Amino acid sequence: GAGVSQSPRYKVAKRGQDVALRCDPISGHVSLFWYQQALGQGPEFLTYFQNEAQLDKSGLPSDRFFAERPEGSVSTLKIQRTQQEDSAVYLCASSGRGRERNEQYFGPGTRLTVT
Amino acid sequence: KQEVTQIPAALSVPEGENLVLNCSFTDSAIYNLQWFRQDPGKGLTSLLLIQSSQREQTSGRLNASLDKSSGRSTLYIAASQPGDSATYLCAQVMEYGNKLVFGAGTILRVKS
Repeated sequence: GAGVSQSPRYKVAKRGQDVALRCDPISGHVSLFWYQQALGQGPEFLTYFQNEAQLDKSGLPSDRFFAERPEGSVSTLKIQRTQQEDSAVYLCASSGRGRERNEQYFGPGTRLTVT
Repeated sequence: KQEVTQIPAALSVPEGENLVLNCSFTDSAIYNLQWFRQDPGKGLTSLLLIQSSQREQTSGRLNASLDKSSGRSTLYIAASQPGDSATYLCAQVMEYGNKLVFGAGTILRVKS
């Protein structure tokens, strides 16, 4: 089946605008993760869902960041009043059940540029 | 705080050379250790996953080892090829099914 998909692939926003980034996980995957990757750095954890429940949001950098997964499948990461420091690649990953829960599969990412 | 360090930050080698990438982590209570490859503008591709009960994993020309006691993992690439040029990231997972903590990566360039 298809892998993890993300849209849009590229987003340019003016400072102060709100943006919404979408993630379609692998069908049937229970867990979904969002990461932020700044230029030249490794990805950093933002938040984690198990089905529709957001179990860990400790990595969200401010209250301007909000994530949801209302039906336990597609997830949206929303950033309100974007700032230049929000410019980064936002990666989504999903993992399955049982032994497959060990391994996370990543999407291609959304590159956000805030001008 | 969990920290993952990768050395070197960048590496340039001629084609055919064997090479080693290093990863160290601060917390020995590791659940598993995963190596990824990232090509420019692309997402992450999983290369090897080593569970805490294992010492190494092999896939083709790649071999990854894990030493929990010293907090280190190495990725060995045999007979490097220009197509191996990419950024290599290691990441640790502390709990089953939980978040990954990444290093900053090693940028590898294999010259033909």
